[in-house]
Amino acid sequence: SAVISQKPSRDICQRGTSLTIQCQVDSQVTMMFWYRQQPGQSLTLIATANQGSEATYESGFVIDKFPISRPNLTFSTLTVSNLSPEDSSIYLCSVSGGLAGFDEQFFGPGTRLTVL
Amino acid sequence: AQSVAQPEDQVNVAEGNPLTVKCTYSVSGNPYLFWYVQYPNRGLQFLLKYITGDNLVKGSYGFEAEFNKSQTSFHLKKPSALVSDSALYFCAWSPGWGTALIFGKGTTLSVSS
Repeated sequence: SAVISQKPSRDICQRGTSLTIQCQVDSQVTMMFWYRQQPGQSLTLIATANQGSEATYESGFVIDKFPISRPNLTFSTLTVSNLSPEDSSIYLCSVSGGLAGFDEQFFGPGTRLTVL
Repeated sequence: AQSVAQPEDQVNVAEGNPLTVKCTYSVSGNPYLFWYVQYPNRGLQFLLKYITGDNLVKGSYGFEAEFNKSQTSFHLKKPSALVSDSALYFCAWSPGWGTALIFGKGTTLSVSS
């Protein structure tokens, strides 16, 4: 399995600012994903974080709003830019394809963002 | 659009009774199917998956699920519910290994003592 940590665990931000969320895995993985869970809703895939290249975004999500970095096989960041109250959600990092052999998708604890 | 559906927003059962959380899929080909559980203020935890093989899949915490191709279902079951099973349960699918999960809307399970 994989142990995933996210920082920060929660934050309260002002409208118009940005928040960068870090995702760290304790082992090398091939796939890293970012999801959003709006209040009372299911999880929606934002993008696939590709190591060494631009992320692959899902319909409705754009790089200017959600820039993603993945410099290596254990780390990724998601920035939520130009925040509005509608961005208040839980953001979750997940990983799959562990080089140690697992193929399930594991999730981090999430980052709870509140935008005022 | 290809998807999984969870027809019940909430399922209520008494402790000790069997529980079923329903999931149906509308996916072409041979999807990978999953169940995850989310406890309050905690991340998602993997319960079980079906990729191929035996239609009855056993997972964590005594849960199991049966893949039924004719009914396009993948219901989650447990013979005897515990109060601690109360949580939000998600069915999900993916096209294959290493691809992202697409989630159902979730079903809240409430187990009363």
